[in-house]
Amino acid sequence: KQEVTQIPAALSVPEGENLVLNCSFTDSAIYNLQWFRQDPGKGLTSLLLIQSSQREQTSGRLNASLDKSSGRSTLYIAASQPGDSATYLCAVLYSGAGSYQLTFGKGTKLSVIP
Amino acid sequence: NAGVMQNPRHLVRRRGQEARLRCSPMKGHSHVYWYRQLPEEGLKFMVYLQKENIIDESGMPKERFSAEFPKEGPSILRIQQVVRGDSAAYFCASSPGTSVYTDTQYFGPGTRLTVL
Repeated sequence: KQEVTQIPAALSVPEGENLVLNCSFTDSAIYNLQWFRQDPGKGLTSLLLIQSSQREQTSGRLNASLDKSSGRSTLYIAASQPGDSATYLCAVLYSGAGSYQLTFGKGTKLSVIP
Repeated sequence: NAGVMQNPRHLVRRRGQEARLRCSPMKGHSHVYWYRQLPEEGLKFMVYLQKENIIDESGMPKERFSAEFPKEGPSILRIQQVVRGDSAAYFCASSPGTSVYTDTQYFGPGTRLTVL
């Protein structure tokens, strides 16, 4: 059974700081790993998708890395802004389930202080 | 290109009533997924459907819950005889079904169900 853990559960940083969010998963049999953002009371916005054969993906100030063998991913946010405040979710598409269900972590709640 | 649409956004039901949640996938997407987010919990997979077929319902409670994705119209998640423990946010996602490695699942805004 696939399990996804995100550390820390909450993080507060001053504006302009670079930060790293961590995600770990227990089974390396994945098709891909996705990072999402969720604002309070809202749906999920896809940020980055890393295929199982890839090591990293970049979009603007965001960079996500994947080390499949060790079951780890990181999301790096450069020059954080108050608008980055949200809950960040990591999810893996687990190939061992025989289906295409995403397994989610509980998220890291990020607060960027102006 | 409209995103994934869900309605209603908020739904209040009394115990014992039925709840029907609707999801219209993004244009061109043939795969639909339903997830549930309980308070203070992560999102949990419920069911995966393609047009007229349930592909994986391993995350769906055995009793009272059902889902469909008909040839025409939206996908429906139906909860019969709701109980307070069903109160949660229900999210629908869709994907194009092109490649399991590269398909992003796009999420709707969710339906927040409150059972009184």
